[in-house]
Amino acid sequence: ETGVTQTPRHLVMGMTNKKSLKCEQHLGHNAMYWYKQSAKKPLELMFVYNFKEQTENNSVPSRFSPECPNSSHLFLHLHTLQPEDSALYLCASSPRTGNTEAFFGQGTRLTVV
Amino acid sequence: GQQLNQSPQSMFIQEGEDVSMNCTSSSIFNTWLWYKQEPGEGPVLLIALYKAGELTSNGRLTAQFGITRKDSFLNISASIPSDVGIYFCAGKGGGSNYKLTFGKGTLLTVNP
Repeated sequence: ETGVTQTPRHLVMGMTNKKSLKCEQHLGHNAMYWYKQSAKKPLELMFVYNFKEQTENNSVPSRFSPECPNSSHLFLHLHTLQPEDSALYLCASSPRTGNTEAFFGQGTRLTVV
Repeated sequence: GQQLNQSPQSMFIQEGEDVSMNCTSSSIFNTWLWYKQEPGEGPVLLIALYKAGELTSNGRLTAQFGITRKDSFLNISASIPSDVGIYFCAGKGGGSNYKLTFGKGTLLTVNP
């Protein structure tokens, strides 16, 4: 248990569906991140939030839309995804963006059919 | 951009054996991290290194920050079945670049 909780753990969605991934941390951290983990590829940083403000969008397609209502919660809204978007989506948090010791959630295994 | 080469890609060892894996970078890093990811879980931080030449242990795990600042090593001594998982290295450059660059991982299988 790292203190970062992601729901759901598994999600299957059609290409026309709209769904949301949720991440919650109770570590008192101010920075939160979304990563994408695909088979045989390094973890890819998608978005960074610091004190609820987005500070990084790593050229992510607009079909992925993040939301950070407060420092403890982070969402990833999904719509009109493609099969190649199937992956493990990991949320992480750290005390601040300059602090590299990120704590990861268990991830959401997403399958787009 | 920065790239990390992590090797080996996979290892199959017998319980009790020692394990070594490493990461090399095309550029200098100021921080090296080693994570372990078990099936169905997210990565868990094992060891963090902040200084060139630093050698840090965490139980049976030992990691070193290379003198050139372009590499790092992780050793696991006397492996046990629960060491199974994917081990990732990650590095961070200097200045305001807070982003971590991850290696592709080393898949470790331990045969009892």
